[in-house]
Amino acid sequence: SQTIHQWPATLVQPVGSPLSLECTVEGTSNPNLYWYRQAAGRGLQLLFYSVGIGQISSEVPQNLSASRPQDRQFILSSKKLLLSDSGFYLCAWSLGNYNSPLHFGNGTRLTVT
Amino acid sequence: QQPVQSPQAVILREGEDAVINCSSSKALYSVHWYRQKHGEAPVFLMILLKGGEQKGHEKISASFNEKKQQSSLYLTASQLSYSGTYFCGTQDTGANSKLTFGKGITLSVRP
Repeated sequence: SQTIHQWPATLVQPVGSPLSLECTVEGTSNPNLYWYRQAAGRGLQLLFYSVGIGQISSEVPQNLSASRPQDRQFILSSKKLLLSDSGFYLCAWSLGNYNSPLHFGNGTRLTVT
Repeated sequence: QQPVQSPQAVILREGEDAVINCSSSKALYSVHWYRQKHGEAPVFLMILLKGGEQKGHEKISASFNEKKQQSSLYLTASQLSYSGTYFCGTQDTGANSKLTFGKGITLSVRP
């Protein structure tokens, strides 16, 4: 069966510090991978998605970046965090067709102070 | 474009029924429904494809009206475990498969 791992679960970082969140998927090959952000009381905002190694599409211009160095690894990064980067970050995978649901990781609660 | 969900919030007692709506201004190929408990990740409920199908999962069912570009989620004889935030995600008829989520509806079931 497929599983998705996302870490860390919680993170408190000062403004201006770097960020690296990692997500890995097991049990499937060539999944579509996604990073979503959920701010308090708001919906799920798609940040990045990837349909293959090295292929990254950005949905929202910001100081975040994503990379996919391996087929089942997806990394969200920032060189300098802003206060507005605080939120709940969710990694997800899907098979990439219209019948395929999104499977979310447990999320990372990021607080930028 | 983000789908619009209504109503904004729902409060009901155990055993009551509720309907949650999701509307889009674009032609849709599919609608996904997810439920999220506080502090947890969203959990997939069901997918509906264009063609006006209706699906059900235990006492939760959904419909998709392709002409109206609208989907509705029906919760019957609600249970305490139904509490959470319900998100719809829509896929248009384009080649990519990424979802655009609505802002979510908070549903609270009280004893």
